[in-house]
Amino acid sequence: GQNIDQPTEMTATEGAIVQINCTYQTSGFNGLFWYQQHAGEAPTFLSYNVLDGLEEKGRFSSFLSRSKGYSYLLLKELQMKDSASYLCAVRAQAGTALIFGKGTTLSVSS
Amino acid sequence: GAVVSQHPSWVICKSGTSVKIECRSLDFQATTMFWYRQFPKQSLMLMATSNEGSKATYEQGVEKDKFLINHASLTLSTLTVTSAHPEDSSFYICSARPLNNEQFFGPGTRLTVL
Repeated sequence: GQNIDQPTEMTATEGAIVQINCTYQTSGFNGLFWYQQHAGEAPTFLSYNVLDGLEEKGRFSSFLSRSKGYSYLLLKELQMKDSASYLCAVRAQAGTALIFGKGTTLSVSS
Repeated sequence: GAVVSQHPSWVICKSGTSVKIECRSLDFQATTMFWYRQFPKQSLMLMATSNEGSKATYEQGVEKDKFLINHASLTLSTLTVTSAHPEDSSFYICSARPLNNEQFFGPGTRLTVL
């Protein structure tokens, strides 16, 4: 079966750094995605990893270890607007749908 | 970037009626479209995969006779919720995949069945 785990909730303060972990067990692997979703809205794409290592995009970075079935999303210099749900998703085979984790709700306080 | 639209963005209907939701890729041709459903505080659950010109492939537990999917063209897929009931109230999101294997999400449709 397919299983993607991530923490349910996290809290942090403005200006801080937070790391959201994701572990996965899937029948195959063709890429790992991170999405941000605000309440009542569709997910917006943040990052994509298919090879091991760190991908950096401004304040957001994503890391992947395929051998460990592990990824994390790193958010730096947190802002209040970063309060949202962060979804980890895996594509098991090329061209197939993404399989989503349950999401991590991040609350950023001042 | 690629844009996917959904219509309507929200709909309220009476129990027993049918509701059609459209998903359009506005600036690219989508060989495959995916339909997801998201209940409050839960993640996106794949309902079905739709390929242009062929029958949709439904995930286990999703009733194909209740959730009718039509993908008649490379830019349009429709999801019809037939005989809707309150438990079908959810956020329905489509995504579209062009040939380059990326996946772009629509803005979602909030369905409320009274």
